Amino acid sequence: EPEVTQTPSHQVTQMGQEVILRCVPISNHLYFYWYRQILGQKVEFLVSFYNNEISEKSEIFDDQFSVERPDGSNFTLKIRSTKLEDSAMYFCASSALRGETDTQYFGPGTRLTVL
Amino acid sequence: AQSVAQPEDQVNVAEGNPLTVKCTYSVSGNPYLFWYVQYPNRGLQFLLKYITGDNLVKGSYGFEAEFNKSQTSFHLKKPSALVSDSALYFCAVRDSTGFQKLVFGTGTRLLVSP
Repeated sequence: EPEVTQTPSHQVTQMGQEVILRCVPISNHLYFYWYRQILGQKVEFLVSFYNNEISEKSEIFDDQFSVERPDGSNFTLKIRSTKLEDSAMYFCASSALRGETDTQYFGPGTRLTVL
Repeated sequence: AQSVAQPEDQVNVAEGNPLTVKCTYSVSGNPYLFWYVQYPNRGLQFLLKYITGDNLVKGSYGFEAEFNKSQTSFHLKKPSALVSDSALYFCAVRDSTGFQKLVFGTGTRLLVSP
């Protein structure tokens, strides 16, 4: 069964450093998402991406964040200058369609630890 | 704005007993509701969704959910719990605006004892 994959599973970085989190969505899916989950809190939407551009973004997704689909298979989330409060589990998701009834399938997540 | 509430932080049940994990929703328009499960150190796995039609939705691993419009609830159920069902369960609602992100509840930890 196709699945969303994410690398690395765990990333440790120093405050102020840039990080890139990578995702490979399910191959025939067209809509891509990033969510994050701070330890002990709920899963929060960050950004959605379709047709090589951002469709929607949350207040969390400020100028320090960017997304890209560099090669038609990978989908990346970049944090330019990490802060302590960026420490969280980051989940990538994809869906085949945009419709309200369509299911988003999530990857296993990348745990980001900012020291 | 769409939202869901999961009133219980934790649900404890003995193996073999029925389980219920509660979720209530608040939406404008039609509700599109989802349940996901998160096992330790794993991602979110889709269990089931309510779109329209039958109020009882059947999903993966023997789970089902009951949609109740008058009570604005979408409770997750299983007739006979397994120890391996112990995990974190999230209810979510699809936002009907924009590109329809999922809005999650706070999660309920299910602990099934042997």
